Amino acid sequence: DAGITQSPRHKVTETGTPVTLRCHQTENHRYMYWYRQDPGHGLRLIHYSYGVKDTDKGEVSDGYSVSRSKTEDFLLTLESATSSQTSVYFCAISESAPLNEQFFGPGTRLTVL
Amino acid sequence: GDSVTQMEGPVTLSEEAFLTINCTYTATGYPSLFWYVQYPGEGLQLLLKATKADDKGSNKGFEATYRKETTSFHLEKGSVQVSDSAVYFCALSSLGAGNMLTFGGGTRLMVKP
Repeated sequence: DAGITQSPRHKVTETGTPVTLRCHQTENHRYMYWYRQDPGHGLRLIHYSYGVKDTDKGEVSDGYSVSRSKTEDFLLTLESATSSQTSVYFCAISESAPLNEQFFGPGTRLTVL
Repeated sequence: GDSVTQMEGPVTLSEEAFLTINCTYTATGYPSLFWYVQYPGEGLQLLLKATKADDKGSNKGFEATYRKETTSFHLEKGSVQVSDSAVYFCALSSLGAGNMLTFGGGTRLMVKP
């Protein structure tokens, strides 16, 4: 199994509070991704990174920001959480070559009350 | 843009039945195609992949053939087991920024003894 961990695994927070989710990899893969999974929508890309300090937006980036200061860590921040951001968040990694498969972390279940 | 369409579930089968989960795609160029599986409470795992037309991906008794003429990548298994109960996602990856995956909505499979 690819070495990907996510923390926390579960979090309950209140509307308006900031939240940061962490993804950590031990594979030295170049690409890292944040997805959210919601019933009826499959997985949707929030942000991705193609190197240290290099990030770009995905399909559903509004309300989220990311940072990657080291190859192994990719942080997802909800500046002011809303109930619509209640979801399961998955991190994924991929090697440099194009069209390679992605490997997924175990997920973080976030509930915003 | 790229898109993936899967048959809606849930699909309910008896053990040892034949499984087909349909997947069709729309993409520019020549994407790679993937099937991922998600067991309850876990992240996604790569099940199989195909990188060019007429390639057949196979793993754990599952197989899928990349059909460019029908833009399809249907998942099949000759004899399902209770342990195959999971959600299955079809996905594609096209050349371009970020090596991103586009997912279908997922199909839940339930196998009864």
